Amino acid sequence: DVKVTQSSRYLVKRTGEKVFLECVQDMDHENMFWYRQDPGLGLRLIYFSYDVKMKEKGDIPEGYSVSREKKERFSLILESASTNQTSMYLCASSLTSYRDRDAEAFFGQGTRLTVV
Amino acid sequence: GESVGLHLPTLSVQEGDNSIINCAYSNSASDYFIWYKQESGKGPQFIIDIRSNMDKRQGQRVTVLLNKTVKHLSLQIAATQPGDSAVYFCAETRGAGNMLTFGGGTRLMVKP
Repeated sequence: DVKVTQSSRYLVKRTGEKVFLECVQDMDHENMFWYRQDPGLGLRLIYFSYDVKMKEKGDIPEGYSVSREKKERFSLILESASTNQTSMYLCASSLTSYRDRDAEAFFGQGTRLTVV
Repeated sequence: GESVGLHLPTLSVQEGDNSIINCAYSNSASDYFIWYKQESGKGPQFIIDIRSNMDKRQGQRVTVLLNKTVKHLSLQIAATQPGDSAVYFCAETRGAGNMLTFGGGTRLMVKP
């Protein structure tokens, strides 16, 4: 089974701190994604990466950066955490393929981040 | 901008009834659609998918219908069970990177 692992389930950080959220996948997927999930807003794409060292902005990249130094690992960085970044963060990975189900994204369990 | 959205935020059904969850999308270039189910405390999980060259696809107790004319997607769940209670998201994927765009989600509540 595909496994997408996020390093923490719960995090509490202070305003202004630099925060790292780590995600690792074990299926050699090219694509990795970071979403945030807020009530009533669904899943919004922050950044995605389609290859090592490659990244593309999603819908809400402001206040975030990402790093993909290795294919299996995709990190989300909050340079200076703010209270409006309190949210559930979900990492996902997928293959680049147009065959049925191969484009399916597999999700991690999520990291609930609280910024105080 | 382009978006994928859902009509109803909450759907309440009786156990054993059929459920229909709807989704509208606005990007006619989208070529692949997925329904995800998210249970409390878990990440979204794949339910069923459909390509833009199809109108209907059936799985076990679930059916996805795609109407490209009106850019509408629906998920039908037959004989809804308490274990079906969750939030359901439709998502579209397009482009070489298979970037997924999600709708806002519908909460399905199954009454015993």
